[in-house]
Amino acid sequence: KQEVTQIPAALSVPEGENLVLNCSFTDSAIYNLQWFRQDPGKGLTSLLLIQSSQREQTSGRLNASLDKSSGRSTLYIAASQPGDSATYLCAVRLPGTYKYIFGTGTRLKVLA
Amino acid sequence: DAMVIQNPRYQVTQFGKPVTLSCSQTLNHNVMYWYQQKSSQAPKLLFHYYDKDFNNEADTPDNFQSRRPNTSFCFLDIRSPGLGDAAMYLCATSRVTGVNTEAFFGQGTRLTVV
Repeated sequence: KQEVTQIPAALSVPEGENLVLNCSFTDSAIYNLQWFRQDPGKGLTSLLLIQSSQREQTSGRLNASLDKSSGRSTLYIAASQPGDSATYLCAVRLPGTYKYIFGTGTRLKVLA
Repeated sequence: DAMVIQNPRYQVTQFGKPVTLSCSQTLNHNVMYWYQQKSSQAPKLLFHYYDKDFNNEADTPDNFQSRRPNTSFCFLDIRSPGLGDAAMYLCATSRVTGVNTEAFFGQGTRLTVV
């Protein structure tokens, strides 16, 4: 059974720092992996999608990498800003299905 | 423009009184999902549709039902809400295959049971 873990559960950093959020999954057979942002009381906003055949994706200050063999993905945020404060969730889509399994997220606080 | 729209954003219902949450999409995606998310927890898949094919998760309570009358709309019916059903309910869509199989979420409906 696929399980997705995100460590740490919470993180506080000063503005301007580069940071890395981690996502681990137990079964390397995935269709894709997606990173989301969730602001308090809101829905999920898609940040980056990495197909299983890809190693990384970039969008602005965000870079996500995927290492299927080790069951890991990282989300790199460059030059963090207070507006980046949110919960970041990763989700893997299971192959042969349309299901997404989520991690519990990392709550990020960027201090001004 | 919002692509996945959930209504209402906030819903208060009485214990045991049936409630319906709605979701619509402008993306023409085959797959629509309903997730339940409780505070500080991961979203939990309740069920999903591939076109009109309904797929229920094994641990989704019978109290939860869903309807998808057409590609654009999907409804979540809670027949007899209990206090434990208070949560954020998230609707999402995705394409089945292709280059971009990204999942898109709505803004959620926060359900309160009193």
